[in-house]
Amino acid sequence: QLQLQESGPGLVKPSETLSLTCTVSGGSISSSSYYWGWIRQPPGKGLEWIGSIYYSGSTYYNPSLKSRVTISVDTSKNQFSLKLSSVTAADTAVYYCASAARPTPFDYWGQGTLVTVSS
Amino acid sequence: DIQMTQSPSSLSASVGDRVTITCQASQDISNYLNWYQQKPGKAPKLLIYDASNLETGVPSRFSGSGSGTDFTFTISSLQPEDIATYYCQQYDNLPNSLTFGPGTKVDIK
Repeated sequence: QLQLQESGPGLVKPSETLSLTCTVSGGSISSSSYYWGWIRQPPGKGLEWIGSIYYSGSTYYNPSLKSRVTISVDTSKNQFSLKLSSVTAADTAVYYCASAARPTPFDYWGQGTLVTVSS
Repeated sequence: DIQMTQSPSSLSASVGDRVTITCQASQDISNYLNWYQQKPGKAPKLLIYDASNLETGVPSRFSGSGSGTDFTFTISSLQPEDIATYYCQQYDNLPNSLTFGPGTKVDIK
């Protein structure tokens, strides 16, 4: 059974880049056919898909965030990462990493990490 | 972009009641519709995938149906541990469309 764990700074300044890492255990991140995704949830609001990366390295981003998002994989560390540039207060949210055997559904989730954008 | 609507946005029901939530897509998504349960402070949990398939380990009181643009999620007999917010999520075709519905908050009356 896969386990996912997010890590990264809990506070980011406006205009800077948010960087998070998801460490995967219980399986290999390079397993065939798996997608690895990032989803966020602003406080008190709903869920928003940020993007996903296929085990082969192909990336897929939410069109509304595409210009600011980069998702990458580090197979040597069994991790995948999220970078979101030029952040504003609107990017304050709990960020989840998740896995999917197809593009969806997301069947395994990390516990989530709160990232606050503030000076 | 495909838009998802969910109704109601919240509901209050008694233990043992049958609860139904609907999700509507702005265009045909076949059966690419999933349902998640999220309890406060926790990550979402997958309950139903591909509109009607029960995820392993999920109680059989949860069910889903529908195809095309109209989908239904049902709890046949509401239990106290079912208090949560429920989200539908559609997948059309990466990278164009993967969106969540706005959620339905379920409380005990």
